[in-house]
Amino acid sequence: LAKTTQPISMDSYEGQEVNITCSHNNIATNDYITWYQQFPSQGPRFIIQGYKTKVTNEVASLFIPADRKSSTLSLPRVSLSDTAVYYCLVDKAAGNKLTFGGGTRVLVKP
Amino acid sequence: DGGITQSPKYLFRKEGQNVTLSCEQNLNHDAMYWYRQDPGQGLRLIYYSQIVNDFQKGDIAEGYSVSREKKESFPLTVTSAQKNPTAFYLCASSFGPDYEQYFGPGTRLTVT
Repeated sequence: LAKTTQPISMDSYEGQEVNITCSHNNIATNDYITWYQQFPSQGPRFIIQGYKTKVTNEVASLFIPADRKSSTLSLPRVSLSDTAVYYCLVDKAAGNKLTFGGGTRVLVKP
Repeated sequence: DGGITQSPKYLFRKEGQNVTLSCEQNLNHDAMYWYRQDPGQGLRLIYYSQIVNDFQKGDIAEGYSVSREKKESFPLTVTSAQKNPTAFYLCASSFGPDYEQYFGPGTRLTVT
């Protein structure tokens, strides 16, 4: 089962770009990389998913190097409402036993 | 209005009682999941079901049971065998293994 490692927490300021790197050294060929956001006392919400290179949507960008052993979630110009826990997951194409891990607590300060 | 619902939002039970948490979705998703979250921790998978009448144990299934008689419903029973049942329980659904999961609002269970 692929395991992910990400920083426990990071602080930022409004308007800055936040980059969260996740390590997944044992990622399998058919695994996708997915990021979720969770606010306190709510269920996580999907942010972005990718397999290789770069994926961008209206919320974030996901950078995946060629070896796919890590990935970086980039949140452009964060606001106070981006304060949340961000989880990096490596999907299993078969079995779907997702492991959320502890996530990264991002605190955006004014 | 499509979505995934969990009820109730807060639930209180006495130790030794079984309790069933509800999870319903009208997204036409085949797969459904139950997670447990303890304070300051990540989510841990309890059970998941990829199709009606079939489900598999997750990482922490002991003391829990589920059923999947209908596509829309995936109730979770927390039995008296679960040693530390107080937690935040989250239900999710998806079209399948490679698709994003949609989460319900959660049920906070307190057992005293």
